[in-house]
Parts: sequence; structure tokens; C-alpha cells
Amino acid sequence: EAGVAQSPRYKIIEKRQSVAFWCNPISGHATLYWYQQILGQGPKLLIQFQNNGVVDDSQLPKDRFSAERLKGVDSTLKIQPAKLEDSAVYLCASSLQGPIYFGEGSWLTVV
Amino acid sequence: QQQVKQSPQSLIVQKGGISIINCAYENTAFDYFPWYQQFPGKGPALLIAIRPDVSEKKEGRFTISFNKSAKQFSLHIMDSQPGDSATYFCAAKGYNFNKFYFGSGTKLNVKP
Repeated sequence: EAGVAQSPRYKIIEKRQSVAFWCNPISGHATLYWYQQILGQGPKLLIQFQNNGVVDDSQLPKDRFSAERLKGVDSTLKIQPAKLEDSAVYLCASSLQGPIYFGEGSWLTVV
Repeated sequence: QQQVKQSPQSLIVQKGGISIINCAYENTAFDYFPWYQQFPGKGPALLIAIRPDVSEKKEGRFTISFNKSAKQFSLHIMDSQPGDSATYFCAAKGYNFNKFYFGSGTKLNVKP
């Protein structure tokens, strides 16, 4: 069974630029999550989708972050404009019921 | 409000020793408690998990102990090895909507 796929793995951008991350969840997993993980901290939920509907986006900085999950499968997380404090790993995860499974993450450095 | 509190923040154990990481939760509406292991540069990987109707679950050298009345659960790593050196996260899943709450993580260093 293929795992959660994410791209790109690494991205360096200047502040005020934009960036987009893509995620392909495990086949059949209805729930998709985007987490932000700052070095040395636990994952922080940004947005959770159930199929293509949003379940929770309460911690998503909506003035600069957006996410969509078209057709209830792949998802894209966009940051525009980026700030220095957005430097983090962006983890995509998916679940059916029970545990969530993470991708390898997309590492963002904002300079 | 932090739903899941994890301790210690870091832990150093000698090879062959027992590593113990503790978590406490505040909300009773959780029905699943997984532990994740994360190596540098990798995403968290599911290690072991327990449901609240069970007090203990063992898989190899890894054991979860669960105390429902105290709202606490812990991870025990027996015969700790240098390869176990990683960051460990506990988590709790709410009944509704598959929402997970993560602890802040414990960085384990097993010395040879």
C-alpha cells in the first residue's frame, strides 16, 4: 500500500513570495490533514478535510494560508505571502478510521 | 488549551535501560491513543496504539500503559537501543471527526 505522498520535499523562498505544497493521501482515506511542525515542537493542525469538506480550519492563518481538496482526493496548501515565521515542516496526513498516517513532509525555509 | 500534555521534554537512557514517556489528557471524549516515532528529516510514524477499554498493550519492546481514571497513558521502551533515539509523540483522537491532539514530544537519546 502506497503511503502519503508529498511534494516538494524542500523549498526555500524569500519572504513575501508564495509557495504551494501538494499531497496525495493513501487511497480510500476520507480524512486528510495538514499539520505545521516547527523544529522541536509537536505537529499543529492547520486544516482537516473530510472528503472535500472542511472539518476544522480554526488554526489556519486565513489571511495568508489557503487549502483545498478537490474531488476529495489530492490536496494543495498554499502560503501567500510567506513570512519568516512560516519556516517549518508541513506534514500531510490521512486516515480512514483509527490512526493517521503521515507523509515525509515538505520543508519550507523562508529567508 | 493544550489537550494532551507530554513529559519529559527530553530523556537520556543507557543502552539496555527502560525509557518511560508519560502523557496526560484532559478531555474524556477520546477513543484512541497512538504513539508516534519521528526520526530527523522524516514524518512521524505510527509506533503503537491503544483504545481506552484496554489497560495495557505490548508490541515487542514497546508497551503502552493506560489509566483511564487518572487520564494518563505512558510508553515504555524495554531494553532501549541506540536505534530508538528519536522524538516520540503521544496523541489522542476525539470521538467525532477523527480529530487528533498531539503532545509536545519527547526527544529520546539512548547512549551506547
